[in-house]
Parts: sequence; structure tokens; C-alpha cells
Amino acid sequence: DQQVKQNSPSLSVQEGRISILNCDYTNSMFDYFLWYKKYPAEGPTFLISISSIKDKNEDGRFTVFLNKSAKHLSLHIVPSQPGDSAVYFCAATGNNAGNMLTFGGGTRLMVKP
Amino acid sequence: DAGVIQSPRHEVTEMGQEVTLRCKPISGHNSLFWYRQTMMRGLELLIYFNNNVPIDDSGMPEDRFSAKMPNASFSTLKIQPSEPRDSAVYFCASSLGGYNSPLHFGNGTRLTVT
Repeated sequence: DQQVKQNSPSLSVQEGRISILNCDYTNSMFDYFLWYKKYPAEGPTFLISISSIKDKNEDGRFTVFLNKSAKHLSLHIVPSQPGDSAVYFCAATGNNAGNMLTFGGGTRLMVKP
Repeated sequence: DAGVIQSPRHEVTEMGQEVTLRCKPISGHNSLFWYRQTMMRGLELLIYFNNNVPIDDSGMPEDRFSAKMPNASFSTLKIQPSEPRDSAVYFCASSLGGYNSPLHFGNGTRLTVT
């Protein structure tokens, strides 16, 4: 049972345009959500997070939106740059999950120059 | 800060052999995690330590897998005996603790069991 799903395995975007990566979750106890970015042969690195008390969090070119009623979150990257090409993982946790993250399957983003 | 350090980066072994993966967490971090990444199952949590004590090992696939954290600066994940289906990338991560503390991952160990 996948509690965190990223339904798009890949996404291709032109440089300068917006990239939108989506994530859905099923566990209503999740209240904290994170996005990680992974380059080949490296470990995932933390990108941005959002608490369930907010519906938006912004950090430079990266913005995460949370729609609790739909159990959906998205990561917007604008403008997209070729260096953003990587695999992006959505992750979720909650107070009842201790310190453990549940990850989605990842979306491979390709930003074309 | 050197980040989370994992060794070896690559390990190729024959079925039936013992494999030991090593991890040095970031100094000051009191939570340590072992994850496994495969094409089929993505990133799955194997075991989680807090203050060197195993808190949740429900993700450990079977008795062939064991993990230890003898002190705050070192952890091992052992597979004995190894099988071809154990081939994956194994990541170690650490955090300051607290459910909203981001995890810091090492660069992983790519294990191939032939």
C-alpha cells in the first residue's frame, strides 16, 4: 500500500518555463511534507518542506503548495534551469510516525536548454 | 562538515557471502536511518535508530539483515548470507531528531550480488 504516490515517473520542461511536480498521499495523519532532490550517484538532498498548518511555502525559485482536502501537494520550480534536472522525491511524516519519512517513487525532471 | 559518510561506495559480492555496509552520521545528529532504493520499491526505510537505540526495524526484510549502532558516530548494516535480490543502493541518513528535522543522506553504497 503506497501511502505517498508520485504518478508521473518523468517530466520534460524547457529551460525558463515552470516545472510542476505532483504528489498525492493517503494517510490523513501525515502533517509534514518534504521534497528531496537526487542527482545520479548521490544521496537525496533536502529541498523544501511544508507543515500542514500552511498551504504554501516559498524558497527562491521553489514553491510547495499543499491541498489538505485533496491530500495533494505540488512543487513548482520557476524558472526551470538545466541544473534542476534530477529525480525529485516527495516525502511525508506525522507525529504518529515518529521521525520516519515515507517517500514517493520519484519523478525524473529533465530541463532542456 | 563532511556530511554523512558511507563506505564502500560500491560492493560486488557472490551469493552467500557476508556483506557489511558502514555509515558515519553527521556529528551531533542523534537519529540514524538505513534506506534501500530499488527500481521496484523505490526508497524504503529499513531501520531507524535514535540515540544509538533501534526504534523501528519493521522494514528489515528478513533475518539475514541486521544493523548495529555501537556509538553515536558509527553504524553498520550487515547482510548474511547475501542473495541476488539484495542488489540495490543502500543509503544511510542522519538528522537532529524531531519529526520535522530534514534527513541528510550519504551518497549510498551500490550493492551487487551475483
